[in-house]
Amino acid sequence: DGGITQSPKYLFRKEGQNVTLSCEQNLNHDAMYWYRQDPGQGLRLIYYSQIVNDFQKGDIAEGYSVSREKKESFPLTVTSAQKNPTAFYLCASRAVEVYDTQYFGPGTRLTVL
Amino acid sequence: GENVEQHPSTLSVQEGDSAVIKCTYSDSASNYFPWYKQELGKRPQLIIDIRSNVGEKKDQRIAVTLNKTAKHFSLHITETQPEDSAVYFCAARFSGGYNKLIFGAGTRLAVHP
Repeated sequence: DGGITQSPKYLFRKEGQNVTLSCEQNLNHDAMYWYRQDPGQGLRLIYYSQIVNDFQKGDIAEGYSVSREKKESFPLTVTSAQKNPTAFYLCASRAVEVYDTQYFGPGTRLTVL
Repeated sequence: GENVEQHPSTLSVQEGDSAVIKCTYSDSASNYFPWYKQELGKRPQLIIDIRSNVGEKKDQRIAVTLNKTAKHFSLHITETQPEDSAVYFCAARFSGGYNKLIFGAGTRLAVHP
């Protein structure tokens, strides 16, 4: 877990602004994921990436975008098209050789003012 | 569709008692079932997982059981302690590929001294 970092810890956004959340890992993991967590709910998958320069939409991708230009980095942009972006955002990664287990970063709490 | 149901949503026990959380899943092809513990404002931490070729797995005070026929799995915590208080999430890996995990809505466990 300590090898996955997210920044910032707290982020405030005005309506109509795009913001980018950072996720970095030094674990040499191939796969990376973005989840959204709302109060009293489980984690919902936004985007995932198996390898560099490849990513796939998850269950709630509308209003979000990602890139995977480097193995260790998987930034998430919350665009103005996301109508209800206030939430806790979690990044996770997984090693190909440990096929199943996902490890989470510390999260970013985004609040729209 | 892909779904994981988790019960109960809240659970209150006395220190030293046992706690049981149950999850059911919809995809009969699911073959990996992790459990995560999340303390307030923190990242989810993997506490135990089980694969479909195993019916039960134990790790000290924590155990998980799997019933593939009934498509449900359970987390058992014995001799509960106040530090066990947290939100617990179950998840199931669905057969759609890319190691996609579907999470339950979570159980808030409170252990009272």
